[in-house]
Amino acid sequence: DSGVTQTPKHLITATGQRVTLRCSPRSGDLSVYWYQQSLDQGLQFLIQYYNGEERAKGNILERFSAQQFPDLHSELNLSSLELGDSALYFCASSVGGQPGNTIYFGEGSWLTVV
Amino acid sequence: AQSVTQLDSHVSVSEGTPVLLRCNYSSSYSPSLFWYVQHPNKGLQLLLKYTSAATLVKGINGFEAEFKKSETSFHLTKPSAHMSDAAEYFCVVSYSNSGYALNFGKGTSLLVTP
Repeated sequence: DSGVTQTPKHLITATGQRVTLRCSPRSGDLSVYWYQQSLDQGLQFLIQYYNGEERAKGNILERFSAQQFPDLHSELNLSSLELGDSALYFCASSVGGQPGNTIYFGEGSWLTVV
Repeated sequence: AQSVTQLDSHVSVSEGTPVLLRCNYSSSYSPSLFWYVQHPNKGLQLLLKYTSAATLVKGINGFEAEFKKSETSFHLTKPSAHMSDAAEYFCVVSYSNSGYALNFGKGTSLLVTP
């Protein structure tokens, strides 16, 4: 158990809908990351937050947004969902946002868009 | 640009024989390098990491990796494979010059046969 908690574990929704994925980082970790894992794209970095502020942005679509709250939990919002958004979404956390900090991953949220 | 290449998409070994999973990276900056393992329907677990300290890095479950700057390689090895090692392995490099995002390789699927 990494200490990173993600909910829900599984989610099935229809195209055009909006979903919110939630992440609680490990106790004491200030940085949160979101990754998308799909068969065709592999593991892709979406976005990073550090202590409530956006730190780095990767291949995140404009239909997607995220935020980190004062209690350090984070949410990833996915809107106008398309079939291709079906994937495993990972949240991860680390103590800081520096290279070399160990990043711990949650078990992921499986999103299926039908 | 920083990227990582895993040279084999699938590796098959017999139980008790050595494991070699190959990884090459390209980086304009001093990299931080990691190996993660993903068992079926599980999250990502950190095996080991290199952050400019000792070039031979020992990880969990008997795995180790050697950082070779001249070859830009970070191959993962284990002297004797166990059935429980069957999983997907990811070589990862960090973006040390832009926040701290992990750049994942495509993954190597390790099959261990009796």
